[in-house]
Amino acid sequence: NAGVMQNPRHLVRRRGQEARLRCSPMKGHSHVYWYRQLPEEGLKFMVYLQKENIIDESGMPKERFSAEFPKEGPSILRIQQVVRGDSAAYFCASSPGGAQPQHFGDGTRLSIL
Amino acid sequence: AQSVAQPEDQVNVAEGNPLTVKCTYSVSGNPYLFWYVQYPNRGLQFLLKYITGDNLVKGSYGFEAEFNKSQTSFHLKKPSALVSDSALYFCAVRQNQAGTALIFGKGTTLSVSS
Repeated sequence: NAGVMQNPRHLVRRRGQEARLRCSPMKGHSHVYWYRQLPEEGLKFMVYLQKENIIDESGMPKERFSAEFPKEGPSILRIQQVVRGDSAAYFCASSPGGAQPQHFGDGTRLSIL
Repeated sequence: AQSVAQPEDQVNVAEGNPLTVKCTYSVSGNPYLFWYVQYPNRGLQFLLKYITGDNLVKGSYGFEAEFNKSQTSFHLKKPSALVSDSALYFCAVRQNQAGTALIFGKGTTLSVSS
């Protein structure tokens, strides 16, 4: 059973460009979470989605960031007009719901030039 | 507000000695508690969880954790450390509501020397 798959593993963008990060959850998992890890810090929650619905986006910056989890295909975290401060590791996690633990992908490391 | 504190940035132990990585939490209601481990350039791997029941929880790779409600703590322990246990450890908490996000501590780097 494949784990949570994230791609790309590394992404380099110039300031002002767009970044698209993809996450395919584990088979049978319908709950997807995105977290951001800044250097020397723990993971910070960004957004929680179920198929086609955003359930909680309280950790998402109000501007430039958006997320989706379509009926078919992976979940996408999109960052428009990237700035240097967006440089971080972005992790996706999935779970089947309830009290079950979240399982994490290996992350996308975003670097902004 | 919900929060998790890992008071030690780094823990150093010798191989074969017992290890403890500390975690305290603050959450309304009954918490769900988790420990994860992260190796360099990798995602977080689930170690163990406490939902309800016995206060001593056993997990992967010989790790265990003790839930102490009065002290709001959930310390990670292992009787005999291995060099391969060297990694970054995160404690996390969430409310006992379906689908709520995890709140993470800042992490503790465990270094096991041979």
